Amino acid sequence: DVKVTQSSRYLVKRTGEKVFLECVQDMDHENMFWYRQDPGLGLRLIYFSYDVKMKEKGDIPEGYSVSREKKERFSLILESASTNQTSMYLCASSLRAEAFFGQGTRLTVV
Amino acid sequence: AQSVTQLDSQVPVFEEAPVELRCNYSSSVSVYLFWYVQYPNQGLQLLLKYLSGSTLVKGINGFEAEFNKSQTSFHLRKPSVHISDTAEYFCAVSNNGASKIIFGSGTRLSIRP
Repeated sequence: DVKVTQSSRYLVKRTGEKVFLECVQDMDHENMFWYRQDPGLGLRLIYFSYDVKMKEKGDIPEGYSVSREKKERFSLILESASTNQTSMYLCASSLRAEAFFGQGTRLTVV
Repeated sequence: AQSVTQLDSQVPVFEEAPVELRCNYSSSVSVYLFWYVQYPNQGLQLLLKYLSGSTLVKGINGFEAEFNKSQTSFHLRKPSVHISDTAEYFCAVSNNGASKIIFGSGTRLSIRP
């Protein structure tokens, strides 16, 4: 079974802090994604990566950056956390366009 | 750029009744289409997918969906729902060969006994 693991299930951070969300997949997938999930808005794509060190902006990249130094790991970085970034963050990897999701990180910025 | 519209944010239905969750997409090229399900307090899992071939796709738990290219739709159906189908359902689209997967806003299915 494909496993996508997000480092934290729940996270509370202060406004202005730099926040790292980590995601690891164990199936050698080339594509990895970060989404945020908000009620009534579904999943919105923040960034995706199609290879090591390669990335593309999604629909809502503002306030975020990503890093992919190794194929299995894709990190989402909030450079200076703000309260409007309080959300559920979902990482996924994909094979032949089928996405496999982690359990999510619920981030609260206070 | 592709996009997905799920026309109903909530669908209440009685147990054992049929249900249809609607999804329309827009894309200028050929697409792959997906339905994912998220049960309460769980992650997303794939329900079914259309990549090519037969336009009627069968998935897990008795769900099926039909790809209609002329209407750019991929509606999800189940002939008889169960309480355990209570969940949020997401339609998604990807341009075939591309990496990006775009999701709709979700439809919350609630089953009344």
